Amino acid sequence: DAGITQSPRHKVTETGTPVTLRCHQTENHRYMYWYRQDPGHGLRLIHYSYGVKDTDKGEVSDGYSVSRSKTEDFLLTLESATSSQTSVYFCATRPTSGTNTGELFFGEGSRLTVL
Amino acid sequence: AQSVTQLGSHVSVSEGALVLLRCNYSSSVPPYLFWYVQYPNQGLQLLLKYTTGATLVKGINGFEAEFKKSETSFHLTKPSAHMSDAAEYFCAVSDREGGGNKLTFGTGTQLKVEL
Repeated sequence: DAGITQSPRHKVTETGTPVTLRCHQTENHRYMYWYRQDPGHGLRLIHYSYGVKDTDKGEVSDGYSVSRSKTEDFLLTLESATSSQTSVYFCATRPTSGTNTGELFFGEGSRLTVL
Repeated sequence: AQSVTQLGSHVSVSEGALVLLRCNYSSSVPPYLFWYVQYPNQGLQLLLKYTTGATLVKGINGFEAEFKKSETSFHLTKPSAHMSDAAEYFCAVSDREGGGNKLTFGTGTQLKVEL
């Protein structure tokens, strides 16, 4: 399994405060992703990265920003948290390989509650 | 654009009975297809995947799935359910053409196994 660590694992914050979630991987995977999981919606892609300083938006990117200054770290920032951003956030990575079949490896998740 | 439809957000079976979780996809190109499992308070774990070749794919824990192009389906089955199979299952599709190989997930099916 890819070594993917998310921090914090649990966070409670108030509306309007900034929040940063961190994803750290030890596998030197090129691609990294942030998904959010909500009941009835499955997992939806927020942002992804295909290399250091190369990022792009997913389907639910409004209100979120990301940064990747090192291969191993992918940060997700909520500039001003809202109650609609209460969710479980998953980081995922994908190795670069010749087969390129798209399989993702997931972290354990970060549960964020915005009051 | 890709999409995945999982029929039935909740499925309940008796221990020892057949498990059938349905997944239909929409993709403009031949896709890669995946089933992931999520146990409570954990990240997603790959069960099996279809990329090319044999359309009947075998995965971990006795699960298998069959890719049927004519029906645009990738249903997950297991001949005999075990209590430990209780979890949430997600079908996902990936575009072969790249674009970061983003996975698009279905909304999930919660499997309950009863004695």
